[in-house]
Amino acid sequence: DIQMTQSPSSLSASVGDRVTITCRASQGISNYLAWFQQKPGKAPKSLIYDASTLHGGVPSKFSGSGSGTDFTLTISSLQPEDFATYYCQQYNSYPLTFGGGTKVEIK
Amino acid sequence: EVQLVQSGAEVKKPGESLKISCKGFGYSFASYWIGWVRQMPGKGLEWMGIIYPGDSHTRFSPSFQGQVTISVDKSINTAYLQWGSLKASDTAMYYCARHSTSIPLDSWGQGTLVTVSS
Repeated sequence: DIQMTQSPSSLSASVGDRVTITCRASQGISNYLAWFQQKPGKAPKSLIYDASTLHGGVPSKFSGSGSGTDFTLTISSLQPEDFATYYCQQYNSYPLTFGGGTKVEIK
Repeated sequence: EVQLVQSGAEVKKPGESLKISCKGFGYSFASYWIGWVRQMPGKGLEWMGIIYPGDSHTRFSPSFQGQVTISVDKSINTAYLQWGSLKASDTAMYYCARHSTSIPLDSWGQGTLVTVSS
């Protein structure tokens, strides 16, 4: 199985900050990497697929990059509605696997 | 609009059986995989397995193979996740999500909370 490691596991940031979350795959996955946002008590929401393609309706403050084993999710200017937990997932091969999550909290 | 609507919360005793459902609306149900994801209380997301309604082909995570059954009835646009004998450790929120090889897990159900307690 491909292991997905996210860092940090949590971070504190202020409104307006630029935030970067890292996801590393245990082996190369090309660009088959997705990012999800989950707020407490809610279902996950799809943000990005193919490492950098935003789903329709996702604001452009979110961006993704990377290929191979190292990937990043960046939020350019953190807003109150962005405080949530973010997960990466590889879909290069079965079983599909998620990272452990990064909780973004208010400083 | 694409929608996945899951069945309601369940409270069961250890050893009981359970089948939860996920019904798709607003798209060609048979043409997209349906995946199932577990989230234990306070924990992260775990991919359980996936089914293609067109031919009922399934793939499982090794962690869940043999522990659950995934099935589908494409005549009513519904996928199922089933347990034969529940354990307390099956207590979790379970999500279904639409999946394609090009765009993974793009639409999610609202989740079904399963509580297993004696």
